[in-house]
Amino acid sequence: AQSVTQLGSHVSVSEGALVLLRCNYSSSVPPYLFWYVQYPNQGLQLLLKYTSAATLVKGINGFEAEFKKSETSFHLTKPSAHMSDAAEYFCAVSAIGNQFYFGTGTSLTVIP
Amino acid sequence: DADVTQTPRNRITKTGKRIMLECSQTKGHDRMYWYRQDPGLGLRLIYYSFDVKDINKGEISDGYSVSRQAQAKFSLSLESAIPNQTALYFCATSDRGLAGADTQYFGPGTRLTVL
Repeated sequence: AQSVTQLGSHVSVSEGALVLLRCNYSSSVPPYLFWYVQYPNQGLQLLLKYTSAATLVKGINGFEAEFKKSETSFHLTKPSAHMSDAAEYFCAVSAIGNQFYFGTGTSLTVIP
Repeated sequence: DADVTQTPRNRITKTGKRIMLECSQTKGHDRMYWYRQDPGLGLRLIYYSFDVKDINKGEISDGYSVSRQAQAKFSLSLESAIPNQTALYFCATSDRGLAGADTQYFGPGTRLTVL
């Protein structure tokens, strides 16, 4: 079985500061891991995904995430927050042939 | 035009009514999904379909049914709506590939309120 835990349902950062959104996963088999972003009144769109290639994954809009098996983590980072990054972010886990399991989401606020 | 469309976008209905949410896609994808989103609970999978003849229950299928009318269309029905089915519903699609590793593409959502 797979599951994800997102630590912090709300995160606030100042514009230009580091963004760090935390995700820990549980999986009995090698996982696939995803970060999706949801802007207000829109559906989700993929930011990045890990599918057992490079452990550091680069996504759109300057975001990246690092798969750390020893810590069962897949935290999302961005060096410098922009006002347009304000959104809800979801971590998700899957495994080969299996369905997706989403985390409960982290709402990111960017303070000018 | 959007690749994944959902109708209606908003719906208010009463307890006990039958309601259908529709999803259409122009991406040519075989796989389609229905999720519901609740505040603080994230997205939970209701049903999914890997092709026209394939329907599978997800995490929370009780009280829902689906129909895959064609490759491009996947409908979700609530046979007798109840208030705790008030939520934001999303349809998603993904392409044929390594199941589990495929990127999902989401529609804009349907906000359903059951009074």
